[in-house]
Amino acid sequence: ILNVEQSPQSLHVQEGDSTNFTCSFPSSNFYALHWYRWETAKSPEALFVMTLNGDEKKKGRISATLNTKEGYSYLYIKGSQPEDSATYLCAFMANDYKLSFGAGTTVTVRA
Amino acid sequence: EPEVTQTPSHQVTQMGQEVILRCVPISNHLYFYWYRQILGQKVEFLVSFYNNEISEKSEIFDDQFSVERPDGSNFTLKIRSTKLEDSAMYFCAGMLRGTDTQYFGPGTRLTVL
Repeated sequence: ILNVEQSPQSLHVQEGDSTNFTCSFPSSNFYALHWYRWETAKSPEALFVMTLNGDEKKKGRISATLNTKEGYSYLYIKGSQPEDSATYLCAFMANDYKLSFGAGTTVTVRA
Repeated sequence: EPEVTQTPSHQVTQMGQEVILRCVPISNHLYFYWYRQILGQKVEFLVSFYNNEISEKSEIFDDQFSVERPDGSNFTLKIRSTKLEDSAMYFCAGMLRGTDTQYFGPGTRLTVL
């Protein structure tokens, strides 16, 4: 069983503030690191697939970085809005294309 | 935008009964997956399926579980004789050849009484 850890488990952010949280994963057999955004009763939505050490990806106000050598990724939300409230899941993909998920970080943005 | 659909959204069954969870992946996807999340736990891999056969399966995916793509559009997960510990949210996902993104359905919540 691969150890994929996310912290913090949850966080509360004031609207307009920026925030970030982490995902740590094994540095061996790395193929890709995925970030998903998951709202209750909806499909987890793919945000990023990151493969290269040093990769930085951006989608609107959300961005992510990747360090495969030390086994961590950060997700950043700039200027949080209430619609950013969701659980953010990271998932490690090894060469077998299976996803091993972290437990998620639940973000609540207060208006 | 095409999306993955799953039916039913919630299934309640008695222990020992058979259930079939259904998924319709995005039409041009070739790789298919089932995952599940037991309440309070991480999402965990069950099985992957490609070219009409199982590619990989986890320890959870024992003889009580089976998958099928009967008609080129549906992708099903069958649990032959459900146990209480099978209660979970079951997600299917699909992936296009040559990409690494798995697209998930909204899940089926299975409750075994």
